[in-house]
Amino acid sequence: SQQGEEDPQALSIQEGENATMNCSYKTSINNLQWYRQNSGRGLVHLILIRSNEREKHSGRLRVTLDTSKKSSSLLITASRAADTASYFCATAVSGSARQLTFGSGTQLTVLP
Amino acid sequence: NAGVTQTPKFQVLKTGQSMTLQCAQDMNHEYMSWYRQDPGMGLRLIHYSVGAGITDQGEVPNGYNVSRSTTEDFPLRLLSAAPSQTSVYFCASSRGTLQETQYFGPGTRLLVL
Repeated sequence: SQQGEEDPQALSIQEGENATMNCSYKTSINNLQWYRQNSGRGLVHLILIRSNEREKHSGRLRVTLDTSKKSSSLLITASRAADTASYFCATAVSGSARQLTFGSGTQLTVLP
Repeated sequence: NAGVTQTPKFQVLKTGQSMTLQCAQDMNHEYMSWYRQDPGMGLRLIHYSVGAGITDQGEVPNGYNVSRSTTEDFPLRLLSAAPSQTSVYFCASSRGTLQETQYFGPGTRLLVL
């Protein structure tokens, strides 16, 4: 199974509501990243949180990291229709500097 | 800056044909990677490069070749296409290591019949 697993697989909310997505992983990490992918497009980096950080903010995005539970969450506040996309977490595994491991993503739909 | 560019956007091949997917970046990044994305799965690393003249295998390298003659370009070659290689292919570059922020191209959608 994959290092990073997002939950839920799909999420549908109304515009203005908050959206929370979770990512769980199995081994120690150097950092964890979140990416967004609009339909038919490439991935866009949203935020990177390092293993010694617990929380980071970027605009309407808030990411938390709990290394004891091996989990992270991405919160999008006051969602907009334009936030409709797939969201992926990617983990940078400790002791393996070669790559990121991507999860299978959460499909977020924001209804106007 | 154009960032990471990929050509073609879409390609149809017959089984056994060969082709090259092009990737270029204008950010002077040392690290470049090729990923494939299949439905219901995360991106999987095919090959990567840590600089001109240096390449290495990722998670799913079989059936693919790469070379890196310049910092800017990192083409991916399919030697003899198979239906299992039907996928969306993404090229990415990064400033630091492969574990730092990845900048992705728009992707190439490949269909092998």
